[in-house]
Amino acid sequence: AQSVAQPEDQVNVAEGNPLTVKCTYSVSGNPYLFWYVQYPNRGLQFLLKYITGDNLVKGSYGFEAEFNKSQTSFHLKKPSALVSDSALYFCAVRDPDSWGKLQFGAGTQVVVTP
Amino acid sequence: EAGVTQSPTHLIKTRGQQATLRCSPISGHTSVYWYQQALGLGLQFLLWYDEGEERNRGNFPPRFSGRQFPNYSSELNVNALELEDSALYLCASSLSNGYTDTQYFGPGTRLTVL
Repeated sequence: AQSVAQPEDQVNVAEGNPLTVKCTYSVSGNPYLFWYVQYPNRGLQFLLKYITGDNLVKGSYGFEAEFNKSQTSFHLKKPSALVSDSALYFCAVRDPDSWGKLQFGAGTQVVVTP
Repeated sequence: EAGVTQSPTHLIKTRGQQATLRCSPISGHTSVYWYQQALGLGLQFLLWYDEGEERNRGNFPPRFSGRQFPNYSSELNVNALELEDSALYLCASSLSNGYTDTQYFGPGTRLTVL
Protein backbone atom coordinates (compact mmCIF):
# COMPACT_ATOMS: atom_id res chain seq x y z
CA ALA A 1 0.00 0.00 0.00
CA GLN A 2 1.10 3.54 -0.68
CA SER A 3 1.82 5.66 2.35
CA VAL A 4 3.49 8.74 3.73
CA ALA A 5 4.81 9.19 7.22
CA GLN A 6 5.31 12.39 9.11
CA PRO A 7 7.34 11.28 12.11
CA GLU A 8 6.84 14.44 14.18
CA ASP A 9 3.46 15.41 15.61
CA GLN A 10 4.76 18.88 16.41
CA VAL A 11 7.76 21.00 15.52
CA ASN A 12 8.69 24.01 17.61
CA VAL A 13 10.96 26.70 16.21
CA ALA A 14 11.86 30.26 17.10
CA GLU A 15 11.03 33.00 14.62
CA GLY A 16 13.93 33.60 12.27
CA ASN A 17 15.32 30.09 12.64
CA PRO A 18 15.25 27.46 9.90
CA LEU A 19 12.16 25.27 9.76
CA THR A 20 12.13 21.64 8.63
CA VAL A 21 9.08 19.38 8.49
CA LYS A 22 9.89 15.76 7.73
CA CYS A 23 8.10 13.39 5.38
CA THR A 24 9.00 9.90 4.18
CA TYR A 25 7.07 7.92 1.61
CA SER A 26 6.48 4.41 0.42
CA VAL A 27 5.06 4.05 -3.07
CA SER A 28 5.38 1.69 -5.99
CA GLY A 29 6.57 3.35 -9.15
CA ASN A 30 7.40 7.02 -9.50
CA PRO A 31 6.41 9.11 -6.50
CA TYR A 32 4.38 12.27 -7.02
CA LEU A 33 4.58 14.22 -3.77
CA PHE A 34 2.78 17.27 -2.45
CA TRP A 35 2.87 19.58 0.55
CA TYR A 36 -0.19 21.39 1.88
CA VAL A 37 -0.73 23.71 4.84
CA GLN A 38 -3.90 24.08 6.89
CA TYR A 39 -4.65 27.08 9.07
CA PRO A 40 -7.28 26.79 11.86
CA ASN A 41 -10.80 26.31 10.53
CA ARG A 42 -9.57 26.55 6.95
CA GLY A 43 -9.10 24.19 4.06
CA LEU A 44 -5.77 23.02 2.72
CA GLN A 45 -3.52 25.40 0.82
CA PHE A 46 -1.16 23.97 -1.79
CA LEU A 47 2.51 24.77 -1.17
CA LEU A 48 4.48 22.76 -3.71
CA LYS A 49 4.82 19.45 -5.52
CA TYR A 50 7.47 17.13 -6.89
CA ILE A 51 6.74 15.38 -10.15
CA THR A 52 10.12 14.89 -11.78
CA GLY A 53 13.32 16.76 -12.46
CA ASP A 54 15.23 18.92 -10.01
CA ASN A 55 15.29 17.43 -6.52
CA LEU A 56 14.89 20.87 -4.93
CA VAL A 57 11.39 22.19 -5.43
CA LYS A 58 10.49 25.79 -4.66
CA GLY A 59 6.97 26.71 -3.64
CA SER A 60 4.76 29.36 -2.15
CA TYR A 61 5.53 31.63 0.83
CA GLY A 62 9.28 30.94 0.74
CA PHE A 63 8.94 27.18 1.27
CA GLU A 64 10.98 24.59 -0.55
CA ALA A 65 11.27 20.82 -0.38
CA GLU A 66 14.06 18.40 -1.10
CA PHE A 67 13.28 15.09 -2.78
CA ASN A 68 15.68 12.31 -1.84
CA LYS A 69 15.02 9.07 -3.67
CA SER A 70 17.57 6.98 -1.79
CA GLN A 71 16.12 7.98 1.58
CA THR A 72 12.53 8.07 0.25
CA SER A 73 12.08 11.46 1.83
CA PHE A 74 10.51 14.76 0.86
CA HIS A 75 11.25 17.21 3.67
CA LEU A 76 9.72 20.68 3.67
CA LYS A 77 12.04 23.57 4.54
CA LYS A 78 12.02 27.29 5.10
CA PRO A 79 15.23 29.19 5.78
CA SER A 80 13.69 31.68 8.21
CA ALA A 81 10.40 30.88 9.96
CA LEU A 82 7.70 33.46 10.67
CA VAL A 83 5.11 33.41 13.45
CA SER A 84 2.50 33.33 10.69
CA ASP A 85 3.90 29.96 9.53
CA SER A 86 2.32 28.36 12.60
CA ALA A 87 -0.12 25.86 11.13
CA LEU A 88 -0.73 22.18 10.37
CA TYR A 89 1.35 20.80 7.51
CA PHE A 90 0.46 17.74 5.45
CA CYS A 91 2.59 15.69 3.11
CA ALA A 92 0.73 13.69 0.46
CA VAL A 93 1.49 11.23 -2.31
CA ARG A 94 -0.49 10.26 -5.35
CA ASP A 95 -1.68 6.68 -5.05
CA PRO A 96 -0.85 4.86 -8.30
CA ASP A 97 -3.30 2.07 -7.38
CA SER A 98 -6.22 4.44 -6.84
CA TRP A 99 -6.53 7.08 -9.50
CA GLY A 100 -7.42 10.53 -8.21
CA LYS A 101 -6.60 9.73 -4.62
CA LEU A 102 -4.10 11.65 -2.55
CA GLN A 103 -2.76 9.67 0.39
CA PHE A 104 -2.03 12.07 3.23
CA GLY A 105 0.29 11.86 6.18
CA ALA A 106 -1.04 12.46 9.68
CA GLY A 107 0.12 16.05 9.69
CA THR A 108 2.73 18.01 11.64
CA GLN A 109 1.78 20.96 13.81
CA VAL A 110 4.32 23.76 13.44
CA VAL A 111 4.59 26.28 16.26
CA VAL A 112 6.76 29.34 15.65
CA THR A 113 7.43 31.44 18.74
CA PRO A 114 8.38 35.12 18.63
CA GLU B 1 -9.58 34.14 -9.61
CA ALA B 2 -12.08 32.61 -7.21
CA GLY B 3 -11.00 29.45 -5.44
CA VAL B 4 -13.00 26.37 -4.60
CA THR B 5 -16.14 27.28 -2.69
CA GLN B 6 -18.21 25.07 -0.42
CA SER B 7 -21.57 25.44 1.25
CA PRO B 8 -22.78 25.46 3.89
CA THR B 9 -19.91 26.34 6.21
CA HIS B 10 -21.50 24.45 9.08
CA LEU B 11 -24.22 21.82 9.13
CA ILE B 12 -25.85 20.27 12.16
CA LYS B 13 -27.93 17.13 11.77
CA THR B 14 -29.23 14.35 13.96
CA ARG B 15 -28.60 10.64 13.62
CA GLY B 16 -30.49 9.03 10.77
CA GLN B 17 -30.97 12.23 8.81
CA GLN B 18 -29.47 13.04 5.43
CA ALA B 19 -26.87 15.73 4.73
CA THR B 20 -26.14 17.46 1.44
CA LEU B 21 -22.90 19.33 0.93
CA ARG B 22 -22.10 21.45 -2.11
CA CYS B 23 -18.92 22.38 -3.93
CA SER B 24 -18.07 24.72 -6.79
CA PRO B 25 -14.69 24.12 -8.42
CA ILE B 26 -12.27 26.69 -9.69
CA SER B 27 -13.42 28.01 -13.04
CA GLY B 28 -12.10 25.77 -15.82
CA HIS B 29 -11.51 22.77 -13.56
CA THR B 30 -13.33 19.59 -14.52
CA SER B 31 -12.36 17.20 -11.73
CA VAL B 32 -13.79 17.37 -8.23
CA TYR B 33 -12.63 15.37 -5.21
CA TRP B 34 -14.14 14.88 -1.76
CA TYR B 35 -12.19 14.14 1.41
CA GLN B 36 -13.22 13.58 5.01
CA GLN B 37 -11.11 15.00 7.83
CA ALA B 38 -12.28 13.40 11.03
CA LEU B 39 -10.65 13.82 14.42
CA GLY B 40 -8.11 11.09 14.95
CA LEU B 41 -8.53 9.64 11.45
CA GLY B 42 -6.76 12.23 9.35
CA LEU B 43 -7.62 13.05 5.77
CA GLN B 44 -9.42 10.25 3.95
CA PHE B 45 -10.25 10.15 0.25
CA LEU B 46 -13.99 9.81 -0.38
CA LEU B 47 -14.89 10.32 -4.01
CA TRP B 48 -13.63 11.62 -7.33
CA TYR B 49 -15.81 12.99 -10.13
CA ASP B 50 -14.65 13.93 -13.58
CA GLU B 51 -16.75 15.04 -16.54
CA GLY B 52 -19.93 14.15 -14.69
CA GLU B 53 -18.92 10.59 -13.85
CA GLU B 54 -17.80 8.97 -10.61
CA ARG B 55 -14.27 7.79 -11.36
CA ASN B 56 -13.15 6.42 -8.02
CA ARG B 57 -14.27 6.10 -4.42
CA GLY B 58 -12.46 5.48 -1.19
CA ASN B 59 -13.23 2.93 1.49
CA PHE B 60 -16.58 4.38 2.56
CA PRO B 61 -20.02 2.76 2.69
CA PRO B 62 -22.57 3.35 -0.08
CA ARG B 63 -24.53 5.81 2.04
CA PHE B 64 -21.82 8.27 1.00
CA SER B 65 -22.67 9.28 -2.53
CA GLY B 66 -22.65 12.27 -4.78
CA ARG B 67 -22.82 13.64 -8.23
CA GLN B 68 -21.28 16.17 -10.55
CA PHE B 69 -23.40 18.56 -12.55
CA PRO B 70 -22.86 19.77 -16.13
CA ASN B 71 -21.28 22.99 -14.80
CA TYR B 72 -18.78 20.75 -12.90
CA SER B 73 -20.09 21.67 -9.47
CA SER B 74 -20.63 18.75 -7.17
CA GLU B 75 -22.81 17.53 -4.35
CA LEU B 76 -21.95 15.07 -1.60
CA ASN B 77 -24.83 13.26 0.06
CA VAL B 78 -24.55 11.34 3.28
CA ASN B 79 -27.57 9.22 4.15
CA ALA B 80 -28.54 7.65 7.46
CA LEU B 81 -26.11 9.84 9.37
CA GLU B 82 -24.12 8.30 12.19
CA LEU B 83 -22.31 10.07 15.00
CA GLU B 84 -18.92 9.13 13.51
CA ASP B 85 -19.77 11.03 10.33
CA SER B 86 -19.03 14.23 12.24
CA ALA B 87 -16.05 15.72 10.43
CA LEU B 88 -14.77 18.46 8.18
CA TYR B 89 -15.59 17.60 4.58
CA LEU B 90 -13.19 19.07 2.08
CA CYS B 91 -13.76 19.47 -1.61
CA ALA B 92 -10.91 19.92 -4.09
CA SER B 93 -10.72 20.53 -7.80
CA SER B 94 -8.09 20.06 -10.49
CA LEU B 95 -7.72 21.29 -14.02
CA SER B 96 -8.17 17.84 -15.53
CA ASN B 97 -7.90 14.20 -14.60
CA GLY B 98 -4.15 14.12 -15.10
CA TYR B 99 -2.24 12.01 -12.64
CA THR B 100 0.11 14.85 -11.70
CA ASP B 101 -2.51 17.58 -11.55
CA THR B 102 -2.60 19.63 -8.37
CA GLN B 103 -5.73 19.43 -6.25
CA TYR B 104 -6.84 22.79 -4.86
CA PHE B 105 -8.99 22.67 -1.76
CA GLY B 106 -11.95 24.64 -0.54
CA PRO B 107 -12.51 25.81 3.05
CA GLY B 108 -14.64 22.81 3.95
CA THR B 109 -18.03 22.08 5.49
CA ARG B 110 -18.10 21.20 9.16
CA LEU B 111 -20.74 18.50 9.67
CA THR B 112 -21.86 17.79 13.20
CA VAL B 113 -24.13 14.81 13.86
CA LEU B 114 -25.97 14.83 17.18
